[in-house]
Amino acid sequence: GAGVSQSPSNKVTEKGKDVELRCDPISGHTALYWYRQSLGQGLEFLIYFQGNSAPDKSGLPSDRFSAERTGGSVSTLTIQRTQQEDSAVYLCASSLVSQGAGYTFGSGTRLTVV
Amino acid sequence: AQKVTQAQTEISVVEKEDVTLDCVYETRDTTYYLFWYKQPPSGELVFLIRRNSFDEQNEISGRYSWNFQKSTSSFNFTITASQVVDSAVYFCALSVYSGAGSYQLTFGKGTKLSVIP
Repeated sequence: GAGVSQSPSNKVTEKGKDVELRCDPISGHTALYWYRQSLGQGLEFLIYFQGNSAPDKSGLPSDRFSAERTGGSVSTLTIQRTQQEDSAVYLCASSLVSQGAGYTFGSGTRLTVV
Repeated sequence: AQKVTQAQTEISVVEKEDVTLDCVYETRDTTYYLFWYKQPPSGELVFLIRRNSFDEQNEISGRYSWNFQKSTSSFNFTITASQVVDSAVYFCALSVYSGAGSYQLTFGKGTKLSVIP
C-alpha cells in the first residue's frame, strides 16, 4: 500500500483480556518497528524486525508482550492479560533500508484498558 | 547506549516569529543517522529530515532549516516565520547499528510547539 496501515485505530479492552494489534507495512520495506507512546510521553521502542533475521525484542516491557511478522510483511503485536498501564498509542513504522532511509509511521492504535 | 535530549518541553511563540528547537544526542558510534519528525494533533508522525553523521552541511527547506554540529552533538531545528499550522510536537531521533543486523531508532521526549495567531 501507499503507507503503513495499522488496525484497529482504537481499541478499548477490559483489564485482563488479550489484544492483537496489526501493522501492514509499505510493500517491500524490510525493516519494521513497534513503538509505544504513552500520554504526553516520547516514543518507547518495543521491537524491531529486519528481513529474516531474529527480531530485536529488547524493548518489550514484559513477557505479556510478543510480536510476530509473517512472511516478512504484516506484523501483529499481542498483549496478553492487559493492564491499565498498557494504555497508550502503539505505533508501527517501516523502512526500506533499515538505517538510512526515513522511517514511515502508521497512524497508530490507541489502546485503552479499562 | 544512545540518548536523545530535547530540553525544551514546551515552547509558545507568536505567529511569524522564528523558533529554534534544540536536540542533543549521545552515541559512541561514528556512523549514525539523525531525524526530525513532526506529530500534529492528528497523531501521525511525519518525517521531516534525515541526516547522516558524515554530512555536517546545514540544510534549508522552505521555512525549515537544520543545523548539525558534531562538535557539540547537536542537531537543532529552526522554523522561520512560524505559522499556526506549525503547532505540533516535534521529535528528534537517532538511529545506530545495535548489532546482529539490528538498528534502533531512539527518540527524544519531544518539544510541543504552540504558535499563537
